[in-house]
This record gives sequence, C-alpha cells and structure tokens, in this order.
Amino acid sequence: DIQMTQSPSTLSASVGDRVTITCRASQSIGSRLAWYQQYPGKAPKLLIYKASSLETGVPSRFSGSESGTEFTLTISSLQPDDFATYYCQQYSDDTWTFGQGTRVE
Amino acid sequence: QVQVVQSGAEVKKPGASVMVSCKASGHMSSKYGISWVRQAPGQGLEWMGYISDYNGKIKYAQKLQGRVTMTTDTSTNTAYMELRSLTSDDTAIYFCARYDILTASDTSETWGQGTLVTVSS
Repeated sequence: DIQMTQSPSTLSASVGDRVTITCRASQSIGSRLAWYQQYPGKAPKLLIYKASSLETGVPSRFSGSESGTEFTLTISSLQPDDFATYYCQQYSDDTWTFGQGTRVE
Repeated sequence: QVQVVQSGAEVKKPGASVMVSCKASGHMSSKYGISWVRQAPGQGLEWMGYISDYNGKIKYAQKLQGRVTMTTDTSTNTAYMELRSLTSDDTAIYFCARYDILTASDTSETWGQGTLVTVSS
C-alpha cells in the first residue's frame, strides 16, 4: 500500500501567518492527492483535489502544489476559521490512504 | 445538491456486529461511489473501503478484510457498512462520503455527519 507521510504533526501559528503543510508519498501517485480540513467531531471538508484544484466555495487563500512525490498545502494568510486539523489523502490506487494529520493551533 | 444522513449512534459488546447506514437525497447522479472512513477517539482518519455499483468496483482496506462488508441499495439511495467481530479498537466515529460523478472530469463529494460506534462490555 502507498504510505503518506505528513508533516508537521502540529503547527503553531497566528492570524495572518503564511502556513505550509507537506505530504510525501511512498511512491508515485501522479496528481491524485486531496487535502481536507476537519474540526473536532465533524466530517472532513474537501479543500483541494488533483493536488492543486480548489474545491468550489473554498477561499482562495488555500492552495496546493506538487513536486514529484511531495505535495504542499499553503494557507497564504491564516484566518481564525483556519485553526483546525488538515489531512492529505492519496487516491492513486485502489486503496486510499490518509496522512497522519496536521493540527494548526 | 446532495445531502447525506447517517444512522444514529450505536453501543455494541465485543464480538458483536454493527451496521451503519448512509442515505442520500437531493440532486444525485446515477453514477456514484461511496467510501467509508473512521476516526478513533483523538486519532486521525482511516480509510476503510470504497464501493461503486455502476462499475462493479469494491475495495476494502487490507486490515479490515474478512470483517467488513459494504453494500448499496439503489432503490432507497442508501449505502451500508457492516463490521463484524467488534473489539474496543473499533470504537470510532464512522463517516461515509458519497461521490456523484457529474461529468467525465467533475465529481461532487458529500460527507455524512458521522456515526459514533462504541464497543464496550
């Protein structure tokens, strides 16, 4: 199975900061990567699909990029609603996997 | 727009089985898939499997093979996930996510609200 290594596990930031979260795949997954935002006890919310495509309705301060097997989620200017946990997910093969998550506090 | 509502919380004893349902309504596509994801208390997201009737695709996470069964009932737009031989490690919130295929390059994703399954003697 493809493994996703996400870092950091926790990130301390302030409103207005630029925030970057990284996921590395254990093998090539093309651009088949999504980013999710989750609040405690709530369902995940899709932010980015195909590594860099912004889901409809998601603010433009969120962006995704890729370089080989390394994928990055960037929040250009952190807002109060952005304090949450973020997960990457690969859907390249028949078994999908999530990264371990990054809590932005 | 699609809405997805899951069944209510469950409390089960070790060794029992649980079935969680996931019912969709609204403007849906006839081509869709359902994935199931769970989250143990204080832990990350774990993908459990995926089913799509329109292309006959079904895949389970290896660690759950033999204990999990996913099905769909197209007449009621409801998906089901059954997990057997429960242990305390199965205590988690279980989510379903529905993927409606709108065009060859456009998919709509809708999540259920989650179902808490507690396994305790």
